[in-house]
Amino acid sequence: QVQLIESGGGVVQPGRSLRLSCTASGFTLRNYGMHWVRQVPGKGLEWVAGLWSNGNTQDYADSVKGRFTVSRDSSKNTLYLQMNSLRAEDTAIYSCARDMKFYCFDLWGQGTLVTVSS
Amino acid sequence: QSALTQPASVSGSPGQSITVSCTGTSSDVGGYNYVSWYQQHPGKAPKLMIYEVSNRPSGVSNRFSGSKSANTASLTISGLQAEDEADYYCSSYASGSILVFGGGTKLTVL
Repeated sequence: QVQLIESGGGVVQPGRSLRLSCTASGFTLRNYGMHWVRQVPGKGLEWVAGLWSNGNTQDYADSVKGRFTVSRDSSKNTLYLQMNSLRAEDTAIYSCARDMKFYCFDLWGQGTLVTVSS
Repeated sequence: QSALTQPASVSGSPGQSITVSCTGTSSDVGGYNYVSWYQQHPGKAPKLMIYEVSNRPSGVSNRFSGSKSANTASLTISGLQAEDEADYYCSSYASGSILVFGGGTKLTVL
């Protein structure tokens, strides 16, 4: 079954770090660009970061640049989002998404909730 | 980079057609043909409905269509059905290698 499953969310204090994982099944993750998108419950979508299929090119939203890092482990078919220096405004559901062609996402995970609070 | 501008809500009766607009700038919508539209039902993951302005992925009903003029993209849904009631988001690739989303539009089928 083709799917994406996120994990690693939780409650973390401001300034601390957290690493999210997105495990792909039914397809080979390294053959696709992959992205992270977040959504505050009840609010809109916000693109966070993307990793091109070449595995080397990373793009980031200004709001997370310098704090978040996207990477992958092809042997585990897993995408990661390392989040450092977390802020209250980073609180959201984080979902990974597969890039079908160029910044259009045809497969999404259900998301993992990150809450940044003291 | 600012979010794209969408109306907060639109509504229509079954069988009617509605259009959702998505306004950006020459640095995003107007500058690239990489506009996508997503449908999101409550508690569910977004579903890709339109990509590259007007292309439908396999399996998406031909009642959904997309277009673009200058800095504004549009999603049109014809023959409205109850199951179309959902939130709709546009997105566009933007200069600086980023993606911007619209604020979302809640579609109500009366």
